[in-house]
Parts: sequence; C-alpha cells; structure tokens
Amino acid sequence: EIVLTQSPVTLSLSPGERATLSCRASQSVSSYLAWYQQKPGQAPRLLIYDASNRATGIPARFSGSGSGTDFTLTISSLEPGDFALYYCQQRSNWPFTFGPGTKVDIK
Amino acid sequence: QVQLQESGPGLVKPSETLSLTCTVSGGSISSYYWGWIRQPPGKGLEWIGYIYYSGSTNYNPSLKSRATISVDTSKNQFSLKLSSVTAADTAVYYCARRDGGYWGQGTLVTVSS
Repeated sequence: EIVLTQSPVTLSLSPGERATLSCRASQSVSSYLAWYQQKPGQAPRLLIYDASNRATGIPARFSGSGSGTDFTLTISSLEPGDFALYYCQQRSNWPFTFGPGTKVDIK
Repeated sequence: QVQLQESGPGLVKPSETLSLTCTVSGGSISSYYWGWIRQPPGKGLEWIGYIYYSGSTNYNPSLKSRATISVDTSKNQFSLKLSSVTAADTAVYYCARRDGGYWGQGTLVTVSS
C-alpha cells in the first residue's frame, strides 16, 4: 500500500497570504495524485486531479504541481472560504490512499 | 448536475451487516466507476472499494473480505454491504464517483448494541 505523508500538519496564515502544502508518496505514483478540500460536516471536494489539473469550477488561485513522489498544492492568495482541511490522494495503485491531511487555519 | 445520495440505517449492532445504497441522479451510472469511502469521526479517509457499472469490483484488502459492492443499473444505484461489523466500523460513509468529481453528502453509521 502506498503511504502518503502531508506537511505541515497545520498551516496558520492570514487571508491574502500564499499557502504551500506538500504531499510525499512512499513510492512513485506518476501523476496520479489528487487534492481535496474538506470543511466540517461536508464531503471532500475535488480541487486538483492528475497532479496539476483543476477540477470543474475550481478557481485559478488553486494550483498543483509535482510528479513521482513529491507534490505541492499552492493557494496563491487565501480567501476566507479556503480555511479548511486538505487531503491528497493517489490513484496509481489499489488500494487508493489518502494522506492524513493539512489543516489551513486563520492566523 | 450529477448528485449522489446515501441511504440506510444509521445504527447497526456489532457482528451484524451494514447495508447502504447510493442513488445517482442527474446522470447515468453507466460508463463510470463508483465507490465507497469512509471516515471515522475525527479521522482520515479510507477507500472501501469500487464497482464498474458492468459489475466488476475491487475491494480494499484491509476489510478482509467483509465488503461487497453491487450495482443496479435499472435503478441507477449501487450498494455496499459490510459484514461482521465492530465499533471500529463506526464512520461517515460516502459514495462517490471513482474519479472524485462527485460525492454524496455522507451518512454516519454507528456500530453499537
């Protein structure tokens, strides 16, 4: 099973600041890496698929990069609705696995 | 717009079988893979398994063969059965399209006597 590690655990930032979230895989997942946003009481929402493709309706301030084992989600300028939990997920090998998440909270 | 809705009992007794159904509306279940993901309270996400509309399946080995997923294309539904449940199976259960683009709102299933 591929293990995903996310860092940092918590990111404390102010609105307007840039957020950089990291996801590292225990082995190569090629570009089969997705990013999700989850708010309390809600289902995860797909932001990025296949490492760098924005899902339908996702604002351009969200961008993804990376391949192989190291991936990054960048939020260029945080808006109030962006303070949430973020998960990465690989679909290279079954079982698909999620990282433990990074919480972006308000500083 | 495609929407998914989970339905089923919110309380299941230990050793019994958890049964959930996901109804897909606003689009056809055909030509896609559909899956179940769960999230214990305050914890992370785990894939349980997925099914193709034709009926082929794949399950997470961690469930030790307790999970069964089936599909009913005539009703645009797919279902999950999880046998021999314990308190460790208490979680919010989500149905979703395997590519992650569509999710149900989730349903909390508690395993307790």
